[in-house]
Amino acid sequence: GAGVSQTPSNKVTEKGKYVELRCDPISGHTALYWYRQSLGQGPEFLIYFQGTGAADDSGLPNDRFFAVRPEGSVSTLKIQRTERGDSAVYLCASSWTANTGELFFGEGSRLTVL
Amino acid sequence: AQTVTQSQPEMSVQEAETVTLSCTYDTSESDYYLFWYKQPPSRQMILVIRQEAYKQQNATENRFSVNFQKAAKSFSLKISDSQLGDAAMYFCAYRSAYTGANSKLTFGKGITLSVRP
Repeated sequence: GAGVSQTPSNKVTEKGKYVELRCDPISGHTALYWYRQSLGQGPEFLIYFQGTGAADDSGLPNDRFFAVRPEGSVSTLKIQRTERGDSAVYLCASSWTANTGELFFGEGSRLTVL
Repeated sequence: AQTVTQSQPEMSVQEAETVTLSCTYDTSESDYYLFWYKQPPSRQMILVIRQEAYKQQNATENRFSVNFQKAAKSFSLKISDSQLGDAAMYFCAYRSAYTGANSKLTFGKGITLSVRP
């Protein structure tokens, strides 16, 4: 499709497990963003890529969270030793470049840690 | 750091009536973008309307319009002729327009809009 694609749509895991969430941005978009949205709240910034490099990872809550974008397109958000507090919807967004207007969002991946 | 405040957690409007959603923000920058996003139960954020800070004219998109007051740092959304499909969560968001600055969107906490038939 032409939009931002995120997989899986839903993920249920047990506390302590490792999780990967994938984002496929709109073709040609160089900027890619990860956000985390808790129930009833606004999205909170996690990390931003410009091309292959993480331009800003100041929103990652701790070192259990890591994200990569090795070829400047698809990105993977990795969460180690998951905790119940990690349960949230993880949103991915992309834009043509930085500072050029709106972000286009995927439908998110809902992570539930039991 | 920029902040976005949406102080109304919920609002309700009668179908075909008009409703205004409030948003204020804080920034020291002079050039930026402001957005209203809609998030239905499907979770996908959908852009409703955008405003460039350097433009004095308020943005309009069909039934949606904004009241942008730069000096007051206020950015409200007016929905005219409300429809059942407008029911969703609405988020106000800020983004710097400066090249090299962090280009992330900063969101408010959102407001849940319900539409009564």
